[in-house]
Amino acid sequence: SAVISQKPSRDICQRGTSLTIQCQVDSQVTMMFWYRQQPGQSLTLIATANQGSEATYESGFVIDKFPISRPNLTFSTLTVSNMSPEDSSIYLCSAMDSSQREQYFGPGTRLTVT
Amino acid sequence: SQKIEQNSEALNIQEGKTATLTCNYTNYSPAYLQWYRQDPGRGPVFLLLIRENEKEKRKERLKVTFDTTLKQSLFHITASQPADSATYLCALDMGIYAGNNRKLIWGLGTSLAVNP
Repeated sequence: SAVISQKPSRDICQRGTSLTIQCQVDSQVTMMFWYRQQPGQSLTLIATANQGSEATYESGFVIDKFPISRPNLTFSTLTVSNMSPEDSSIYLCSAMDSSQREQYFGPGTRLTVT
Repeated sequence: SQKIEQNSEALNIQEGKTATLTCNYTNYSPAYLQWYRQDPGRGPVFLLLIRENEKEKRKERLKVTFDTTLKQSLFHITASQPADSATYLCALDMGIYAGNNRKLIWGLGTSLAVNP
């Protein structure tokens, strides 16, 4: 199993600003994912972070709003750009190796936009 | 599109009893079905995976069943303890049917409270 850390654990941001969330995995992994979890809703996949290429975004999420980097096999960042109160949520990073099917999650970043 | 449903109401049981959680899905059966536990303020933690050709899977006090005819998975915790109190998430994994896409389809989760 992989151990995943995220920074920051929480933040309160003003409307119109941007926040970059970091995700660090303790071992090399093939795939990394970014999710959003809002109260009363299921986990929603934002994008798959691909090492060495652009992220693959899900319907309803665009690169301009949620730019993602994946410079190597253990690290990824998600930026929430030009934030509005609707972006208030928990953002989760997960990782998976191609030899397995289960995902390992970070503790999440609780974002509040005022 | 594929939909997944879990018990929407919280489940309250007495310590020592067996907790049974339900996961139902529509349309085509997934290649795999996964169960996760999530505690407040934490990320989900993987518990068990069951394949479409498996009827049952066990791990310590946990048991998962998978009925592709009923399009349902049941998750059992035997001899439940207060420490088992958490939200349990079901996720569909379409496997090779989704090509290289490893995306999971997540349920809303069922909250379980085990009372001492």
